[in-house]
Amino acid sequence: EVQLVESGGGLVQPGGSLRLSCVASGFTFTSYWMHWVRQAPGKGLVWVSRIHYDGSNTTYADSVKGRFTISRDNAKNTLYLQMNSLRAEDTAVYYCARDPYGEGVDSWGRGTLVTVSS
Amino acid sequence: SYELTQPPSVSVSPGQTARITCSGDALPKQYAYWNQQKPGQAPVVVIYKDTERPSGIPERFSGSSSGTTVTLTISGVQAEDEADYYCQSVDSSGTFVVFGGGTKLTVL
Repeated sequence: EVQLVESGGGLVQPGGSLRLSCVASGFTFTSYWMHWVRQAPGKGLVWVSRIHYDGSNTTYADSVKGRFTISRDNAKNTLYLQMNSLRAEDTAVYYCARDPYGEGVDSWGRGTLVTVSS
Repeated sequence: SYELTQPPSVSVSPGQTARITCSGDALPKQYAYWNQQKPGQAPVVVIYKDTERPSGIPERFSGSSSGTTVTLTISGVQAEDEADYYCQSVDSSGTFVVFGGGTKLTVL
């Protein structure tokens, strides 16, 4: 069974940092692109970032470019999102998702809530 | 930046057919994916690569594509299908991922 389990969310002050993790199991992690997608309270899904199988290719939404860094440790089947210079508008549930072709998500984690507030 | 456009809401009675559209300039070239999200839950993919249905998804869910518009069709809608539906694709270069704004399906 495919499982994606996010962790690392919580309350952080504006300007602060947080690192999210997503542990994958039930599939060959190295065969999939991986994404982070977020959803602010009561709002729609918004793509954040994507990383290639081997970590060689990463892309970011304009709203997080230069502040967030996506990475993966294929030996640990784990995806990361380092979030710096956090703003109130970054408050959201952050989902980890897998993608077999680099074009579309086929499985989602349950998400972890990040709240940016003083 | 690239955008996918969906109607904010669609309403149907049980047993009828619901059609949710998603429009984008790159859709003739790039595949679309459809996600169902119920309140308080993570999204679930119901259609991938325009028309393919994942295992475990009921046959009443189908997808189609015509030019710059893709359509999610739910035949014989059931009360349990009430949810938000999001289309997802990539821009023409395949670099950036984008989600539509979402469509709230109400079963009357």
